[in-house]
Amino acid sequence: EDKVVQSPLSLVVHEGDTVTLNCSYEVTNFRSLLWYKQEKKAPTFLFMLTSSGIEKKSGRLSSILDKKELFSILNITATQTGDSAIYLCARRNFGNEKLTFGTGTRLTIIP
Amino acid sequence: KAGVTQTPRYLIKTRGQQVTLSCSPISGHRSVSWYQQTPGQGLQFLFEYFSETQRNKGNFPGRFSGRQFSNSRSEMNVSTLELGDSALYLCASSLGGPAGEQYFGPGTRLTVT
Repeated sequence: EDKVVQSPLSLVVHEGDTVTLNCSYEVTNFRSLLWYKQEKKAPTFLFMLTSSGIEKKSGRLSSILDKKELFSILNITATQTGDSAIYLCARRNFGNEKLTFGTGTRLTIIP
Repeated sequence: KAGVTQTPRYLIKTRGQQVTLSCSPISGHRSVSWYQQTPGQGLQFLFEYFSETQRNKGNFPGRFSGRQFSNSRSEMNVSTLELGDSALYLCASSLGGPAGEQYFGPGTRLTVT
């Protein structure tokens, strides 16, 4: 029903590489999709996507939502060691605040 | 603007005891949601409060309860603690409207022995 699937589960790349993280969701009552970065503490908000095809960008990070194919991607260009973290996506339905999270992608950047 | 604050940050309790966790949202935010994070289950929704009323509830037993005060601060209570309740408890605040982004506090790490 509210399932959120992230891939890959983990990713190891070298500093300077570009990475793409994936998040797919089921359509029922979907309102928006949120991306968070979690290091050894609480998740930090990155983006909220509601409309299909509109890219959101913050520095080296960008994200886009495809409501037809029911997925979102998070791109990180010119990766740095500080990007090492677990990246979580979550869906929010119409009518409530509840976020349903995926299991996350563990990203490791090797210097 | 101050972020979401949670107290205490760490807590060790014994099976059978009860515990109360506190969350102060970002100023102006009226919605507070609680989540449990464990290595096995990930982040799971517990409940959400808005204007002192519980609006949504996740699939947790009745031992988990909460409340919200008129200043939007929220507390979460877990009674009759079990070993499986050991987790990071996170609260998140938002404006509470249809487009609200949720911002998380630092969490309370609860260990039940």
